[in-house]
Amino acid sequence: QSVLTQPPSVSGAPGQRVTISCTGSSSNIGAGYDVHWYQQLPGTAPKLLIYGNSNRPSGVPDRFSGSKSGTSASLAITGLQAEDEADYYCQSYDSSLSERVFGGGTKLTVL
Amino acid sequence: EVQLVESGGGLVQPGGSLRLSCAASGFTFSSYEMNWVRQAPGKGLEWVSYISSSGSTIYYADSVKGRFTISRDNAKNSLYLQMNSLRAEDTAVYYCARGYGDWGAFDIWGQGTMVTVSS
Repeated sequence: QSVLTQPPSVSGAPGQRVTISCTGSSSNIGAGYDVHWYQQLPGTAPKLLIYGNSNRPSGVPDRFSGSKSGTSASLAITGLQAEDEADYYCQSYDSSLSERVFGGGTKLTVL
Repeated sequence: EVQLVESGGGLVQPGGSLRLSCAASGFTFSSYEMNWVRQAPGKGLEWVSYISSSGSTIYYADSVKGRFTISRDNAKNSLYLQMNSLRAEDTAVYYCARGYGDWGAFDIWGQGTMVTVSS
């Protein structure tokens, strides 16, 4: 069981907007630790998508955005494209565990 | 090109040992914190270990504490993970990942190396 909880799957049609939630607790997201998001395409290594809750690394399209509030964070993808079909993971730090922690991952299906 | 290349994975019996390596290129390795992250077959990502740029600060996940040892050789631009007392549940793809400044994120990942623990 992951410390950060994500929905196992989400789906959307091309062009639509989808959001992926990441729910934590008072020892991680709620304690003020930053949330980061990764995209993992099938058979490849993860790629940093969002860092520091809402910042995009160079080269990441502005269709991807992140937000954080209280003990939760969200990743939003607008203008959904077939190439966005992948697994998405949130990541933060947990002070109770003294560990960097990941969510269980969410599989995005583009219908 | 900024790159991380892992090696050293393979098949090992339960209780055995393995040493993973990660060769860095295209950036000043000695300036960056480094991590190991693993992914069991069909499962999610699990952070394993962290080492500061100088090697003076090290952290481990509870699941590997006392069995795994992270180290680095800045002169050789290399990161290592010595894995002892391996268990079936250590079976995974192991990625080395670069720390992204003070953010606590991982901005560059290797392609991964597969470790299979089985008799």
